[in-house]
Amino acid sequence: NAGVTQTPKFQVLKTGQSMTLQCAQDMNHEYMSWYRQDPGMGLRLIHYSVGAGITDQGEVPNGYNVSRSTTEDFPLRLLSAAPSQTSVYFCASSPRTQGRTEAFFGQGTRLTVV
Amino acid sequence: DQQVKQNSPSLSVQEGRISILNCDYTNSMFDYFLWYKKYPAEGPTFLISISSIKDKNEDGRFTVFLNKSAKHLSLHIVPSQPGDSAVYFCAASTLGTYKYIFGTGTRLKVLA
Repeated sequence: NAGVTQTPKFQVLKTGQSMTLQCAQDMNHEYMSWYRQDPGMGLRLIHYSVGAGITDQGEVPNGYNVSRSTTEDFPLRLLSAAPSQTSVYFCASSPRTQGRTEAFFGQGTRLTVV
Repeated sequence: DQQVKQNSPSLSVQEGRISILNCDYTNSMFDYFLWYKKYPAEGPTFLISISSIKDKNEDGRFTVFLNKSAKHLSLHIVPSQPGDSAVYFCAASTLGTYKYIFGTGTRLKVLA
């Protein structure tokens, strides 16, 4: 069982370039989210989705777009990369349950914008 | 404004002793709290959670305590082991949402 898979693991972009970080999960989880981790800032929520076709903004959404056309995939798009977007990005998923449950994280994508 | 705070960036503990990691929150609507452990170059992994209807939850060497009136939770690790050395994040969420708000993390180092 692969869980949450993120690609690529590492990426270097030039300022102004665009790219898409891929996230796929095979657990049939309804809820998916993207976080960025920066030193001293912890994990900050960028965007999240409660199901296919539904997305919403998190704490730090500016400069990022998401879409959720299928339950499995939740790509994160950087429209015009800036050095401030240098970070480690994590995708997570969790099931919709009556009780409470935890989020399952991918291995992360380390992005450097020069 | 940081809704979930971990005021200790780092903590060192001798092997076999107790590790206590603290977390404070400001949003009284939070009703579910989690602790995650993160090793370098890996994604965070779930450790233990607690619902606001409880004040304590145990899982082996790990115990989480919740003090709702103080808006404070803590993670106790007893006994601490070198393999526990990692960054620990606390997170909070609200019933009806699946948004997890994380703290800034505490780096635990367990000394052999």
